[in-house]
Amino acid sequence: DTGVSQNPRHKITKRGQNVTFRCDPISEHNRLYWYRQTLGQGPEFLTYFQNEAQLEKSRLLSDRFSAERPKGSFSTLEIQRTEQGDSAMYLCASFGGAPTDTQYFGPGTRLTVL
Amino acid sequence: KQEVTQIPAALSVPEGENLVLNCSFTDSAIYNLQWFRQDPGKGLTSLLLIQSSQREQTSGRLNASLDKSSGRSTLYIAASQPGDSATYLCAVPSGSARQLTFGSGTQLTVLP
Repeated sequence: DTGVSQNPRHKITKRGQNVTFRCDPISEHNRLYWYRQTLGQGPEFLTYFQNEAQLEKSRLLSDRFSAERPKGSFSTLEIQRTEQGDSAMYLCASFGGAPTDTQYFGPGTRLTVL
Repeated sequence: KQEVTQIPAALSVPEGENLVLNCSFTDSAIYNLQWFRQDPGKGLTSLLLIQSSQREQTSGRLNASLDKSSGRSTLYIAASQPGDSATYLCAVPSGSARQLTFGSGTQLTVLP
């Protein structure tokens, strides 16, 4: 499978715990995006990498969130001291530019904070 | 700031009907517009992408149109099937990162 993969698919945690999600983009894509989606809403942009550089962060990305993309390959998103409001689907997308101009999304990680 | 709106929020139709989903955006200076499908609890599948220079794009029973000047796009689904039941999202890239701004989606149910 050459698509975008995300792990884990589901994560249940208690409030205050730290969690980390992983995204493996399509191998030749140099751009990677993280989005968050809550029930009944469209995804909202969190952050963007071009290769290993994190170039853009949304105001949604509080200090408890950190993302990395070492060596410009896979990316991780960590949430520290989780809160119930962090419960959402976290989606990763990779983008290879022309000619498709399309962002390809992974299956997402569903986070539930109890 | 770009805002994207989708109407209706939910739609239920009998199998075989043709239907139209609507998407509007506030900033007409867009690179392209993309339609996605999302099944419950799953990620997004790209259906169609219309470049800003195009008026229409077709794939099978799907046809998407774009009117930049009025800030509107429509997704036309012909001869709907129960397997078309899903949430349909439209999105436009914006900002220096070309991150996607999404509408809230239209939840479509096609009844057998």
